[in-house]
Amino acid sequence: SQQGEEDPQALSIQEGENATMNCSYKTSINNLQWYRQNSGRGLVHLILIRSNEREKHSGRLRVTLDTSKKSSSLLITASRAADTASYFCATVSGGYQKVTFGTGTKLQVIP
Amino acid sequence: DGGITQSPKYLFRKEGQNVTLSCEQNLNHDAMYWYRQDPGQGLRLIYYSQIVNDFQKGDIAEGYSVSREKKESFPLTVTSAQKNPTAFYLCASRDRPVVGNEKLFFGSGTQLSVL
Repeated sequence: SQQGEEDPQALSIQEGENATMNCSYKTSINNLQWYRQNSGRGLVHLILIRSNEREKHSGRLRVTLDTSKKSSSLLITASRAADTASYFCATVSGGYQKVTFGTGTKLQVIP
Repeated sequence: DGGITQSPKYLFRKEGQNVTLSCEQNLNHDAMYWYRQDPGQGLRLIYYSQIVNDFQKGDIAEGYSVSREKKESFPLTVTSAQKNPTAFYLCASRDRPVVGNEKLFFGSGTQLSVL
């Protein structure tokens, strides 16, 4: 089963626009992370937000977390063609540090 | 050059055959994970291991087996009991579970197909 569900499933925007993707999860978490995957490749870590944090920034990335709604959002500002990829949220939970991923958002940035 | 190496990049399985996917890391990480990714889908957790000689089932462990005899190695066997094995398999590792070490590092994946 997927811990996280993301929406939209696909997003197409023009270069320079902002891209927002959302993640909802089911159980209590230690932290939530966002990853990026280029087609046919492994995932690369982007940013982590802890369960006691509400917002975090890293360069053009902004992540929010609402534990009461069990949801998170990733905002990419001033998008570039090179941002074209799939984006996944991942939740870390439990003493055994189980890491489960959402269904992903496929982002296309049109030059 | 530190990282995670998955091999082979492409693998073909015949009906009724067991196949083993290799995952090796030289990052001295404690934890290792195996995920399955179907086309256009998210990652589903198969097995994970926090320390040598210990591992836990993930969400879709049926038809798979693993071992963790060495810290740097976490091979995944896809058995004949797995009726739909065609997928992209990703291995990942993480350092000790302390604050600051939570992010996963991924290999480049193995594409498994059934002949």
